[in-house]
Amino acid sequence: SQKIEQNSEALNIQEGKTATLTCNYTNYSPAYLQWYRQDPGRGPVFLLLIRENEKEKRKERLKVTFDTTLKQSLFHITASQPADSATYLCALRVASGGSYIPTFGRGTSLIVHP
Amino acid sequence: EPEVTQTPSHQVTQMGQEVILRCVPISNHLYFYWYRQILGQKVEFLVSFYNNEISEKSEIFDDQFSVERPDGSNFTLKIRSTKLEDSAMYFCASTGTDNEKLFFGSGTQLSVL
Repeated sequence: SQKIEQNSEALNIQEGKTATLTCNYTNYSPAYLQWYRQDPGRGPVFLLLIRENEKEKRKERLKVTFDTTLKQSLFHITASQPADSATYLCALRVASGGSYIPTFGRGTSLIVHP
Repeated sequence: EPEVTQTPSHQVTQMGQEVILRCVPISNHLYFYWYRQILGQKVEFLVSFYNNEISEKSEIFDDQFSVERPDGSNFTLKIRSTKLEDSAMYFCASTGTDNEKLFFGSGTQLSVL
C-alpha cells in the first residue's frame, strides 16, 4: 500500500540548534515533494517544493533534501527559534486517475525551547 | 498578499442538517480543493475542481457531498445530511496555473451534534 510516514513523536530541541524532520514514502514515484507548516487551528502554509531531479533546496534557514532512491526527504531548520514551533507536513503529488492529488503525511510537531 | 478566505470560521449543526461551507479562492487561481482534518489526524483530500467541474474526488466525498462554483469568485462545499463523523476542520485551497503550491484558507471548524 502507499504510505507517507512522518515521525509522530514531537521533536523537542533547544533554541539555536538545527531541527531535522523526516518524511519517508513507499510505493509512490512523486514528481515533487512539498513541505508545509501548520499552526494549531490554522491551514497549512507552503514552505518549499523540491523536484525529483533536485537533491537539495534552500530558503533562508530552511533546507530540504530529496533522495528518490531512499524514498526520503529531510527538512532542516537551522538556528531554530521558538517561533518555529509548529507542525510540519510533507506532501506528495500523487497520480490519481488523470490528475495529480497533493497528499499529506500526518506531520511532525516541532517544539523549540528557549 | 492575496489569500484564500473561508466562512464561517465555526459552524455548529444538528445531525441530519445541511451545511454549506464557503470559500473565496485567490482571484487568478484555476484549481480548487477541499480538504478536511479531523482533530489530531492528517489533512485528508476530499475533492479537486478545475474548469467548472470535479477533476478528482476521494472515497470520503460520497453522495452527501457536493461542490459548486456558483459565480466567478465563490467555491462552496455542501454536506447534504451531516453525520457526527463529519465533525472536522474543513480547508479550502487553491493553486495557480502551475497547480503546485497550495494556498489554504484558515478553515471552517464544523461541529455536528
